[in-house]
Amino acid sequence: GENVEQHPSTLSVQEGDSAVIKCTYSDSASNYFPWYKQELGKRPQLIIDIRSNVGEKKDQRIAVTLNKTAKHFSLHITETQPEDSAVYFCAASPFSNTGKLIFGQGTTLQVKP
Amino acid sequence: DTGVSQDPRHKITKRGQNVTFRCDPISEHNRLYWYRQTLGQGPEFLTYFQNEAQLEKSRLLSDRFSAERPKGSFSTLEIQRTEQGDSAMYLCASSPPRASFNEQFFGPGTRLTVL
Repeated sequence: GENVEQHPSTLSVQEGDSAVIKCTYSDSASNYFPWYKQELGKRPQLIIDIRSNVGEKKDQRIAVTLNKTAKHFSLHITETQPEDSAVYFCAASPFSNTGKLIFGQGTTLQVKP
Repeated sequence: DTGVSQDPRHKITKRGQNVTFRCDPISEHNRLYWYRQTLGQGPEFLTYFQNEAQLEKSRLLSDRFSAERPKGSFSTLEIQRTEQGDSAMYLCASSPPRASFNEQFFGPGTRLTVL
């Protein structure tokens, strides 16, 4: 069935270092891959997304890469700051008319000052 | 606030009681989703509406769960005969018409605790 695996489950970095979170998906027809940031007690916030016809997208300090052949996509955060500390979720949208999202299990990112 | 809103934000109920949650999507968003999120997990898809039509339901949505979107604007999710396993955060998300692709914007959620 439809599945998204996300690694690592926790990640601790020093302020200023880079952080990388990786996800794999099972449905090869998936065509949309968003990343959400969720702070404690808050709603998930869309931070960046990528569509299947693009291999890489960048927005300031965050970037996402997509490898359709390997069914793998990654989030890269450079020059991390303490306010980047949160839970990050990847998701994939299987081919359907609904656009529903299948989420990974989440990565808790801690940026140490 | 012009974002997705949900009511109530918190609900504590006893096992066996019925509960109903409301979601108001972003204006002009014709697509609406319900997800359930348990502690330490990502959101799980429950159901999808396009305008007033319920077009997909997850197998997670047992017959105790029912969702409606009668006028294609706000939506309600009802859980009958609640069980302790229903305790979770129930998230609503809305998305603009298809031409704008699949961006989904989430509400703050309703946290349900079943005692």
